[in-house]
Amino acid sequence: LAKTTQPISMDSYEGQEVNITCSHNNIATNDYITWYQQFPSQGPRFIIQGYKTKVTNEVASLFIPADRKSSTLSLPRVSLSDTAVYYCLVGDVLGTNAGKSTFGDGTTLTVKP
Amino acid sequence: SAVISQKPSRDICQRGTSLTIQCQVDSQVTMMFWYRQQPGQSLTLIATANQGSEATYESGFVIDKFPISRPNLTFSTLTVSNMSPEDSSIYLCSVVASVNEQFFGPGTRLTVL
Repeated sequence: LAKTTQPISMDSYEGQEVNITCSHNNIATNDYITWYQQFPSQGPRFIIQGYKTKVTNEVASLFIPADRKSSTLSLPRVSLSDTAVYYCLVGDVLGTNAGKSTFGDGTTLTVKP
Repeated sequence: SAVISQKPSRDICQRGTSLTIQCQVDSQVTMMFWYRQQPGQSLTLIATANQGSEATYESGFVIDKFPISRPNLTFSTLTVSNMSPEDSSIYLCSVVASVNEQFFGPGTRLTVL
């Protein structure tokens, strides 16, 4: 299971765009990249998942370069309620290791007024 | 999506006792997992709960300490046996839904005195 590296913490202000980058140099061919958000005293919540190029949903965008050795989660116009820990996970979601997620240290995002 | 509930949401237990945590999913799922999140840390996979057979444990976790049951496709239990203060953690149930998304329950916050 691929190891991931993220910044430990980031600060931002309300209304700004936040980009959190994750490194996963040993990503395998069948691996997908998934991002989760976790608030205190809650379980992680799925944000977005992708395999290559760009994926966008109603809350975020995920940018994956051609070599797939990194990915960037983009949160547009953050608010105070986006203050949370963000985890980048890499794994084969379709294969026998599906669900056996290896969580890194995560990035604590603090949004200030 | 899958909605996961856990019972109890939190508990305070005495050293040497055992606690059984229940996980209920609102739909049938093939893959169910148990994770642990120690204070201030990331999530660690304990085991895969297999329906109709013994759970599969990750390195560092054993059945005698963390017995798991999976009687059907919507329910599982994790028991934390002979507890010590080092077992104080949040224990989370997780499932993989048919759309390759992994969902987490709200967690059970365990404090061992």
